[in-house]
Amino acid sequence: DTEVTQTPKHLVMGMTNKKSLKCEQHMGHRAMYWYKQKAKKPPELMFVYSYEKLSINESVPSRFSPECPNSSLLNLHLHALQPEDSALYLCASSPRTGADEQFFGPGTRLTVL
Amino acid sequence: GEDVEQSLFLSVREGDSSVINCTYTDSSSTYLYWYKQEPGAGLQLLTYIFSNMDMKQDQRLTVLLNKKDKHLSLRIADTQTGDSAIYFCAESMDGYNKLIFGAGTRLAVHP
Repeated sequence: DTEVTQTPKHLVMGMTNKKSLKCEQHMGHRAMYWYKQKAKKPPELMFVYSYEKLSINESVPSRFSPECPNSSLLNLHLHALQPEDSALYLCASSPRTGADEQFFGPGTRLTVL
Repeated sequence: GEDVEQSLFLSVREGDSSVINCTYTDSSSTYLYWYKQEPGAGLQLLTYIFSNMDMKQDQRLTVLLNKKDKHLSLRIADTQTGDSAIYFCAESMDGYNKLIFGAGTRLAVHP
């Protein structure tokens, strides 16, 4: 298995909802990432997990809460989001920490109403 | 500081070569990457080059790195309509997981 999968593909939620995004990889990678991509912009790093521990938080608001239950899974819990949080959320993984190439999933298109 | 710049748009005729350019500012960059993104999709890693190399070739793709000028280019030979996409160059530094992306170059291939 050489891919990163993300579910759901699309998500529409209200500002009072709680939802979660899920990311999975079975390549034995030990680093996993969340990126946010607004329309016509490059991806922006949100979080990095290394060996299931949070190693980088790019000053992301607390309404986004990451979780790494095991080395294959990465979740992003969403609560009380704002319409400006609507974006494509991309998950990525890499073999190790450091400057290894990152492999991206297809993303979850999130719309906050 | 970290900054990666790309031209925003490139239009080529099918069958011609495409050259997408990128400049970066951080001389401590270890790896430089090219990613492709098709509409509504995630990013596909196309190729990467280590900073101590000056060229890398992979089938239709050729990456050239001029470390002195901090200039990176991606050449796509025999460009096809399926190559139409946004191409991002990105840099990372040894020991860091953070990728710094350029704004992306939209490649349009016309008959």
